[in-house]
Amino acid sequence: AQSVTQLGSHVSVSEGALVLLRCNYSSSVPPYLFWYVQYPNQGLQLLLKYTTGATLVKGINGFEAEFKKSETSFHLTKPSAHMSDAAEYFCAVSGIYNQGGKLIFGQGTELSVKP
Amino acid sequence: GAGVSQSPRYKVTKRGQDVTLRCDPISSHATLYWYQQALGQGPEFLTYFNYEAQPDKSGLPSDRFSAERPEGSISTLTIQRTEQRDSAMYRCASSPGPGAEAFFGQGTRLTVV
Repeated sequence: AQSVTQLGSHVSVSEGALVLLRCNYSSSVPPYLFWYVQYPNQGLQLLLKYTTGATLVKGINGFEAEFKKSETSFHLTKPSAHMSDAAEYFCAVSGIYNQGGKLIFGQGTELSVKP
Repeated sequence: GAGVSQSPRYKVTKRGQDVTLRCDPISSHATLYWYQQALGQGPEFLTYFNYEAQPDKSGLPSDRFSAERPEGSISTLTIQRTEQRDSAMYRCASSPGPGAEAFFGQGTRLTVV
């Protein structure tokens, strides 16, 4: 079984400040991990993903995440927040091929950026 | 097509009516997923297709929900005898294959009154 927990349903940061969105997962098989972003009235867009290999993953718009197996975490960070980063962010976990690639999502974290 | 297209974007229906939602995936994509997203929650898996085969429908909440993809391209999700608890955003995604990046449509917002 797989599950995802995102700590904090709302996070507010000032423009230029560090963004840290927390995600912990549970998986009985080696996980694939994802971060998606949802802007208002748009579909989910993939920010980055971890499958195998390097544990520090870089994504679009300056975001990155580090897979820490010992902590079962995959936190999303960005050194300097921009107003355009305001959106809802979802962490997701997937199994390998025998699970069809279906995604198990966390409940989401809404990021607000203050000027 | 260029992206995943869902229709309608918004649907309001009366309790007890049947509704059908449509998903037009990226044309080269073999795999298609349906998710249900309640307000304030993350998307929850409903079912998926590999071409026209439907290997997993474990997420469908009841036998009122069904999905098909008869020609391995466009898919429909049908909810019979809708209930207020069915009100949600229904999201479709497609990918080249299981485990590859999934591309999401804009979703269909269903409201049952």
